[in-house]
Amino acid sequence: ETGVTQTPRHLVMGMTNKKSLKCEQHLGHNAMYWYKQSAKKPLELMFVYNFKEQTENNSVPSRFSPECPNSSHLFLHLHTLQPEDSALYLCASSPSGGNQPQHFGDGTRLSIL
Amino acid sequence: EDQVTQSPEALRLQEGESSSLNCSYTVSGLRGLFWYRQDPGKGPEFLFTLYSAGEEKEKERLKATLTKKESFLHITAPKPEDSATYLCAVGGGSNYKLTFGKGTLLTVNP
Repeated sequence: ETGVTQTPRHLVMGMTNKKSLKCEQHLGHNAMYWYKQSAKKPLELMFVYNFKEQTENNSVPSRFSPECPNSSHLFLHLHTLQPEDSALYLCASSPSGGNQPQHFGDGTRLSIL
Repeated sequence: EDQVTQSPEALRLQEGESSSLNCSYTVSGLRGLFWYRQDPGKGPEFLFTLYSAGEEKEKERLKATLTKKESFLHITAPKPEDSATYLCAVGGGSNYKLTFGKGTLLTVNP
């Protein structure tokens, strides 16, 4: 496989459930990102990891918990989400930060009942 | 705070009818301006990076240009397969953060 792969592609969960989103990149990049994309809104950066270390947390509620065990894998653990958390969650990677483009996966469409 | 405004929100063209999309930005120290294409149900696909005013990049029917305040994505003789949402983003003060615009939804009718 090549590029950035996200699983699952679709997820429906109740507000009391716990689930995890997975992202894997096969590009040899060192930085990985989680974004939230809601209708009619710009992409919102949630978290950034560089060489497995979290470098940015964009004031994200604690019900979202990221994990980066190595430079190729990124997880987003979800618990007690709210209906307004329904959105497309996108993972991206880049060689590092700076002026290099980020490459995106196809996202997980999350629906909170 | 970095800001990106894209216009128009939506654009409908006939096949072969050339046009331009606009991306206006304010940023503290431009690291790069990025154009992406996003198809329904897919993630953004990287198109171009522009680093300094006056720079231009081309790919097939697309040409991106950059000034100190805005970027244009010119679409020459578009085809229906060019239909997508086009996103603009800037990298500014933060080493990792990209600030995105809301995008322009382009529809090209045959």
